[in-house]
Amino acid sequence: DGGITQSPKYLFRKEGQNVTLSCEQNLNHDAMYWYRQDPGQGLRLIYYSQIVNDFQKGDIAEGYSVSREKKESFPLTVTSAQKNPTAFYLCASSIGGDQPQHFGDGTRLSIL
Amino acid sequence: AQSVTQPDIHITVSEGASLELRCNYSYGATPYLFWYVQSPGQGLQLLLKYFSGDTLVQGIKGFEAEFKRSQSSFNLRKPSVHWSDAAEYFCAVGLTGGGNKLTFGTGTQLKVEL
Repeated sequence: DGGITQSPKYLFRKEGQNVTLSCEQNLNHDAMYWYRQDPGQGLRLIYYSQIVNDFQKGDIAEGYSVSREKKESFPLTVTSAQKNPTAFYLCASSIGGDQPQHFGDGTRLSIL
Repeated sequence: AQSVTQPDIHITVSEGASLELRCNYSYGATPYLFWYVQSPGQGLQLLLKYFSGDTLVQGIKGFEAEFKRSQSSFNLRKPSVHWSDAAEYFCAVGLTGGGNKLTFGTGTQLKVEL
């Protein structure tokens, strides 16, 4: 079955450490997205990519970085510059244009 | 900038009762709209979408939503709620030609009493 796979499901970060969240899709979608979800705040866009080798900052990009070297992969790195990284991170993809986004099951990041 | 408001943070309904979840948006252009549902610890599942045409749209799991341009609303409804509908519901709005960037509401948590 086609879908979006996020790994790991749970991740722990030590102070000053960078961590990378994986997102892989086999839907042949051009566009991919990373969101951060905090209780009571809905989803906020971190980065998005509409095509391979290109990506744009979303509303809360500070402290995060991404790459899009392959169509099916869009990893997110949470750097040590992100001072409040504890959150639920969701990856999504879409065909593009006005079409719906499809979501993975998320990664929960916590600070040790 | 566009914004989406879901005025009800929590809603409790009895099983079998009808449901309406409110969504209001602020947008200067023609929007396209979605409702998503999220179970605890899971991703979001698409319930329904509106792009144009008929303002009453049908979705999965017996849900429907009505787009009212004059009220800038896109409320989600279900005639008879089942216990399995307990979840968090998100309204999302995008701008036609806006590169598929969506703005999400803060969500409504639905509790179903048996």
